[in-house]
Amino acid sequence: DSGVTQTPKHLITATGQRVTLRCSPRSGDLSVYWYQQSLDQGLQFLIQYYNGEERAKGNILERFSAQQFPDLHSELNLSSLELGDSALYFCASSVVEGAYTQYFGPGTRLTVL
Amino acid sequence: AQSVTQLDSQVPVFEEAPVELRCNYSSSVSVYLFWYVQYPNQGLQLLLKYLSGSTLVESINGFEAEFNKSQTSFHLRKPSVHISDTAEYFCAVLDTGRRALTFGSGTRLQVQP
Repeated sequence: DSGVTQTPKHLITATGQRVTLRCSPRSGDLSVYWYQQSLDQGLQFLIQYYNGEERAKGNILERFSAQQFPDLHSELNLSSLELGDSALYFCASSVVEGAYTQYFGPGTRLTVL
Repeated sequence: AQSVTQLDSQVPVFEEAPVELRCNYSSSVSVYLFWYVQYPNQGLQLLLKYLSGSTLVESINGFEAEFNKSQTSFHLRKPSVHISDTAEYFCAVLDTGRRALTFGSGTRLQVQP
């Protein structure tokens, strides 16, 4: 158990819908990262937050957004969902910004029908 | 831009045999390398990491990896595998600019009795 929690574990929804994925980092970690794992794209970095502020962006679609709250939990919002958004979404956390080691949560499996 | 190549998508091996999972990276800056393991239906677990110092790093469950700068490689080895090592293994390099991990495509290790 890495100490990073993600909810829900599974999510099934329809095209065009909007969903919110939640992540709680390890106790004391200030930095949160979101990654997407799909069959065709592999594991890709989406976005990073540090202490409430967005710090880095990867291959994140405009339909996706995220935020980190004062209690340091983070939410990833996915809207206008398409079939291709079906994937495993991971959250990771690290102690400080730029810390070398990231610890991953168990992931949320999103299925878009 | 940094990249990681995992040369084998699948590696079948018999129990108690040695195994090597290959990983090559490209990076123009300081290199921080990681191996993560993903067991079926689970999240990513950190297996081992190279940040600096000794080029040979070890995990608690018998895996080791050697950082080879001249060959830009970070191959993962285990002298004797167990059925329980069956999993997907991901090599990753830390992009210190974006503070994100760039992953290889993964190698599925299948240990057969």
